[in-house]
Parts: sequence; structure tokens; C-alpha cells
Amino acid sequence: QVQLVQSGAEVKKPGASVKVSCKASGYSFDRNDMQWVRQAPGQRLEWMGWIHGGYGYTRYSQKFQGRVSITSDTSASTGYMELSSLRSEDTAVYYCVRGERVGWDWGQGTLVTVSS
Amino acid sequence: EIVLTQSPGTLSLSPGERATLSCRASQSVNSNYVAWYQQKPGQAPRLLVHGASSRATGISDRFSGGGSGTDFTLTINTLEPEDFAVYYCQQYGDSLITFGPGSKVEIK
Repeated sequence: QVQLVQSGAEVKKPGASVKVSCKASGYSFDRNDMQWVRQAPGQRLEWMGWIHGGYGYTRYSQKFQGRVSITSDTSASTGYMELSSLRSEDTAVYYCVRGERVGWDWGQGTLVTVSS
Repeated sequence: EIVLTQSPGTLSLSPGERATLSCRASQSVNSNYVAWYQQKPGQAPRLLVHGASSRATGISDRFSGGGSGTDFTLTINTLEPEDFAVYYCQQYGDSLITFGPGSKVEIK
């Protein structure tokens, strides 16, 4: 079955960067797109961006443009999301999600805490 | 950006009852590209419905989605104990995908 296993929780200082990984299994990684969605405490889900499974091109939410980078390593069936210039408002659970637009399958989430 | 509002914020019901959740968009959603997700505490969301009315694989037929344009609904017939959770709608017809604030279905 489809599994998306994300890296562990992170604690970062303001201004730092964080890179979250997502190891996929149970499906053809290069034939499926991957998106990243985050959820701040008590807040609604927020779409961050997407990467094409085969060609690797990306599209980002304007809110995160310039601060986020979504990449993938097809040989390792792993996706990555890097967010830079972290601020306290970036404290959230970050999810990788299989699919370009619909969230067919979700990772377990990675808590990123930004605190001085 | 398409803003989604959901109502009610919280719905208190007993097992066996029916839940009707509403999702309203600030503008018409292209091709009725609306999905619904269920989220339980400490868990990731789970896809229930896509394309406004198509159930995802493995989802019980107690869940049904409907609507078009700007108004969409998720109906849960005969609530089971495992159905008490938060439900989010999502529109993916716009280049910027957005989610609603969620509706909590709690045990009365």
C-alpha cells in the first residue's frame, strides 16, 4: 500500500532553514506528483506547492515564493521541502501529499517549531 | 484567492444521526473541483470525496458529497463512533489551492 514516511520533528531558530524529507513507497514515484501542505496550531490547512513527479518542475503558493524549495530524488523515491528565513509563524506540522491537486495519500506529518 | 467558509463550526450529534456539513466558496469553483477530508486528533487528513461527489477508494458509502458552483455539502449518514472528527473542504480548481477552516463533528 502507499506509504509516505516523513523525517522527524525539528526545532529551529528564527532566520534558519529547515529541510523535511518524505520517503515514498507502494507506488510509482516518478509517475505521481507530490505536494506539500502545512497546518499551524489551531489553523486551517495551507497549500505550499507541488512538484511534478516525472519532470521535476514546480509551482509554489505566492505566499511562500522565494522562501520555499520543493525537490525530489526519483532514484530514492524521496521528496523534500526546504523552507528558509524561518519565523515563529512558520511553526506548524508539514505534510507531504501524493497528488498534484487532490491529496490522495498523506505522510504522517513533521512538526517544525521555530523558537528563539 | 478563493476563500472557503464552512458551517457549522461544530456539530453535536449522537451516533446513528445524520451530519450535513456545508462549504461555501467566495467564487465559483472551476469544474466543481472540491474535495473533502477527515482529520482525527494527531493524525493526517484522509481523503473522503473528490470532484465534489466522487468517493475516494475504500470510503464508506455513508459519506456522500454534492453541490456545484459555490455551494457544496458533505453528508454523513448514520454516524458511527469513528466518524467524530474534523472535516475540511478544499478547492483545487484555482491555481492557488485553498482549504476551509473545518467543521468539527462531536459526540452529543
